[in-house]
Amino acid sequence: AQKITQTQPGMFVQEKEAVTLDCTYDTSDQSYGLFWYKQPSSGEMIFLIYQGSYDEQNATEGRYSLNFQKARKSANLVISASQLGDSAMYFCAMREGQIPPTDSWGKLQFGAGTQVVVTP
Amino acid sequence: DAGVIQSPRHEVTEMGQEVTLRCKPISGHNSLFWYRQTMMRGLELLIYFNNNVPIDDSGMPEDRFSAKMPNASFSTLKIQPSEPRDSAVYFCASTPPGLARGTQYFGPGTRLTVL
Repeated sequence: AQKITQTQPGMFVQEKEAVTLDCTYDTSDQSYGLFWYKQPSSGEMIFLIYQGSYDEQNATEGRYSLNFQKARKSANLVISASQLGDSAMYFCAMREGQIPPTDSWGKLQFGAGTQVVVTP
Repeated sequence: DAGVIQSPRHEVTEMGQEVTLRCKPISGHNSLFWYRQTMMRGLELLIYFNNNVPIDDSGMPEDRFSAKMPNASFSTLKIQPSEPRDSAVYFCASTPPGLARGTQYFGPGTRLTVL
């Protein structure tokens, strides 16, 4: 069963405007983590922001913020004041709990991604 | 600190040839992941290791694919024999242990083209 859903395959946004990228997830775990990655046309995968399932506050990293609605199982990424350099593919991902009895982490499940194009 | 290092960055080979992709994780990281990315299938996890031990290889397409992690600082992904449908970008990622959230840090990828 698909665990991460990104319903927006692509979107255009004007420079300096804010954009919200949707992400919903499905898990029965109580402990999990949610991530957003950016993949520009150059191809590298860049970690942007993390939200833990027990975090009470929404995560923020500079112009990135995560709108975490636990009951709705959504973890939308908000990019404020878009810049041309924000044009990229954005992936939402989820990691379920740690692998007991180790302190190691398991795999990430990735969504299909949303292509963002920022226009002048 | 150096990030995840992958080599080669680009590989072009002919069908039937053996291909070996290499990865050096970030020092101190104890989990390593191999992914494949294509337009059709998106980002797929092939295999991952914890403390050099393979944990889940259910994503490995078939017996032509094999991966090893002989020590904490090196891993290989081998395809033998290669086929055109193996053409993709292969990423390696690593994760530190403990209270570090499980964030995966990706290498730059190897773009493989099988003719």
